[in-house]
This record gives sequence, structure tokens and C-alpha cells, in this order.
Amino acid sequence: DTGVSQDPRHKITKRGQNVTFRCDPISEHNRLYWYRQTLGQGPEFLTYFQNEAQLEKSRLLSDRFSAERPKGSFSTLEIQRTEQGDSAMYLCASSLGAANTEAFFGQGTRLTVV
Amino acid sequence: DAKTTQPNSMESNEEEPVHLPCNHSTISGTDYIHWYRQLPSQGPEYVIHGLTSNVNNRMASLAIAEDRKSSTLILHRATLRDAAVYYCILSPRGAAGNKLTFGGGTRVLVKP
Repeated sequence: DTGVSQDPRHKITKRGQNVTFRCDPISEHNRLYWYRQTLGQGPEFLTYFQNEAQLEKSRLLSDRFSAERPKGSFSTLEIQRTEQGDSAMYLCASSLGAANTEAFFGQGTRLTVV
Repeated sequence: DAKTTQPNSMESNEEEPVHLPCNHSTISGTDYIHWYRQLPSQGPEYVIHGLTSNVNNRMASLAIAEDRKSSTLILHRATLRDAAVYYCILSPRGAAGNKLTFGGGTRVLVKP
């Protein structure tokens, strides 16, 4: 296993379009996290899954954002009706279920909304 | 979530040690102290974590104050590859224990 992979690496979209990102976690990891990072800032937590259950969502995750993790494997993050403020790096991470084990991050998807 | 305070930036010379401080005066008894780093154009990477005792691994050492209100990440011999933003994060024990709340971090510049 080569780690957490995210696809695409870069996405440019017009304002108002919908976009979907995919994250493939490390295979034995049952926890999966999404973060958003804007330029010059640390990553901000968006949501996390334990297996297929979405257990927590940040207030940052507006109604235009939805995340799924069918069958507890890969996850998708969809943004509907994109806005320029959605431009950011979207990072996915995965970890084992035990508390305070290390999280492994993907390289992220950079979204630019024009 | 308990908050951490780190200097915005630090400079070091190559092959010299780097001591990165972190203050976390509101830490609770069950908060772990995690350090991650983020190299340019990459996702964050785990460095080390601890609860009360000092910790060592192949990447770094973590020195935790006796009252746990501060900690120091020590890179023993900085290399150019260590130039990154280093984040000190408190992570609560429990169901969401791996949810990480990042602050601004410390940008480390390593000079050859």
C-alpha cells in the first residue's frame, strides 16, 4: 500500500459548478478525515468517518458540502454550486481506530474556483 | 479544543539542532501532544506524539514539561529536507481522538 491517495490533484472549475473529490485511504484504516487548507493557514477539520458512519461534521461544512464513505472504503467529498471562497487545498487523512494513533495524509486536491 | 501557541518562524543552520517550543497552558489531563510537519506542496506528516513522558523516535524527540503546559520538539541535526511548517496539536483521548485542530504552526527555515 502506497499510502493515502487523492484524485484529482488539481481541479479548476467555474463558479456555480459542482465538483467531486475522491480519497482512497490506507486499506486497513477504519477512520477517514477531510480537511481544508487555505494559503498560509493550517488545515481545518471538515468531517470524519469511522467505517461508513459519518460521526462528526464541522460548522465549516455548509449545506453545499457532502461527504460519503460507502462500504467504509474510499470516500468522496462533493461541493455543489461552488463559490470562489471554496478555493483551497482539500486534504484527506486516514488512521486506525485506536485513539491517538498517527494520521496519514494524502497530498491533497487543490481546487481553484474561477 | 485546547489551544497551542507557537512562534511564527525559526531559522536554523544545517546539521545543527532545532528546538521548537509550544505552549499549551490549557491542556487537559487526557490531551495528547502531537507534532506534525508539512513540507511545501505536500500533506501534513506525523512526527511524534506523547502524553507525559519524553519521547524519541527516528525523526525527533519530544520533551514535555512536568506540568504539561509546554513542550519542545527537538530535531537533532537539521537537514535541508526539514524545512517545513511544524504544527503542535493537542488531541483529546476518545472517539474523535484523531481529529486534529491545527494552528498556524512554526515555519522552519534551514540554511545551508
